[in-house]
Amino acid sequence: DAGVTQSPTHLIKTRGQHVTLRCSPISGHKSVSWYQQVLGQGPQFIFQYYEKEERGRGNFPDRFSARQFPNYSSELNVNALLLGDSALYLCASSIYAGTLPTQETQYFGPGTRLLVL
Amino acid sequence: AQSVTQLDSHVSVSEGTPVLLRCNYSSSYSPSLFWYVQHPNKGLQLLLKYTSAATLVKGINGFEAEFKKSETSFHLTKPSAHMSDAAEYFCVVTMDTGRRALTFGSGTRLQVQP
Repeated sequence: DAGVTQSPTHLIKTRGQHVTLRCSPISGHKSVSWYQQVLGQGPQFIFQYYEKEERGRGNFPDRFSARQFPNYSSELNVNALLLGDSALYLCASSIYAGTLPTQETQYFGPGTRLLVL
Repeated sequence: AQSVTQLDSHVSVSEGTPVLLRCNYSSSYSPSLFWYVQHPNKGLQLLLKYTSAATLVKGINGFEAEFKKSETSFHLTKPSAHMSDAAEYFCVVTMDTGRRALTFGSGTRLQVQP
């Protein structure tokens, strides 16, 4: 089975531009989460979506937004890019099968590396 | 609030010697704890997961971790390091209630010397 896929793999943008990153979850997984990993740090939670609804949001500005489609794929949008948005953006999918997080495991894609100049 | 502290930013071992990567956690509720590994220019791969079923958890590639509630620790060990183990390792916590976001430690870079 295919794992989590993300596109594009690399992206270069300039300050002030907009970017859209895409993620396809593992088949059968209904939940998608987005994380930002700045060089030398651990990933930080941005959003979680389940059944097209936002279920969680991290401490990121409103320039960051996301959505989930009926086929459970997801997009992360970032407006008015800043130099500090340069990072590896990771998507993770999970089944979201039960009421307890202990029943879930998040599986990560390879990431999209964004460079803002 | 939940958090994890990885006590070593870098660990260097010789091939064939034991590996110990240390992690302490803080959580107001019953935590789920994970170790993920990230090889250079790769995504994150799950090594193992603790969800209160057993305190000693066995993972892939010979890694295991022991949950010690009294010490709020979840250290990762491997009896014998292999060159392919060289990577960044992240200790991760999530709470047993509410938002399912993963909270990552700052990472430990493992170097394996020949």
